[in-house]
Amino acid sequence: TQLLEQSPQFLSIQEGENLTVYCNSSSVFSSLQWYRQEPGEGPVLLVTVVTGGEVKKLKRLTFQFGDARKDSSLHITAAQPGDTGLYLCAGGDGGSQGNLIFGKGTKLSVKP
Amino acid sequence: NAGVTQTPKFQVLKTGQSMTLQCAQDMNHEYMSWYRQDPGMGLRLIHYSVGAGITDQGEVPNGYNVSRSTTEDFPLRLLSAAPSQTSVYFCASSYSYSPGGGELFFGEGSRLTVL
Repeated sequence: TQLLEQSPQFLSIQEGENLTVYCNSSSVFSSLQWYRQEPGEGPVLLVTVVTGGEVKKLKRLTFQFGDARKDSSLHITAAQPGDTGLYLCAGGDGGSQGNLIFGKGTKLSVKP
Repeated sequence: NAGVTQTPKFQVLKTGQSMTLQCAQDMNHEYMSWYRQDPGMGLRLIHYSVGAGITDQGEVPNGYNVSRSTTEDFPLRLLSAAPSQTSVYFCASSYSYSPGGGELFFGEGSRLTVL
């Protein structure tokens, strides 16, 4: 069974600080996705990383896929209150149907 | 742009009652799925479908039934509600399915409380 472990589980920081969220597994994934979920809403896809070592940037967010495709990280530069939310990583469960398994998430709170 | 629509948004049930959570998507997606989200447990897959007439079990299927008679609709039925089924339920769809998983489009969720 493939598992995705996220850390930290909770993160509370001040506006302007930098932070990194980690997503780790003992399994190899063909790709990993990152979602953000705001209270009362469903998750929304931020990015998909596919190639080992790949780095993708989305404004102040930088996503990296590990060389061995077993881990990924999300780095936020100069966090803003609008970045507050639950960040989830997800990967294929290894089956042919393309079901996703999710990490338990990192709950980020950015205080003004 | 409707996307994925779930109803109801909130529901309170008594133990033993049955109900159906509705999910509809207007994007002509082949893949649809139901997840439940519990504090500290993340999102767990209940059932999924890769096309009309085809359904299969996910990680936590017990106590739930699904059917897929059309591409658009994927209802989730709770047969005899139990307090352990208190959760937030999300329906999600994807254009296609592949071993790596495609982008999931989620509904806004249905918050269910079983007393």
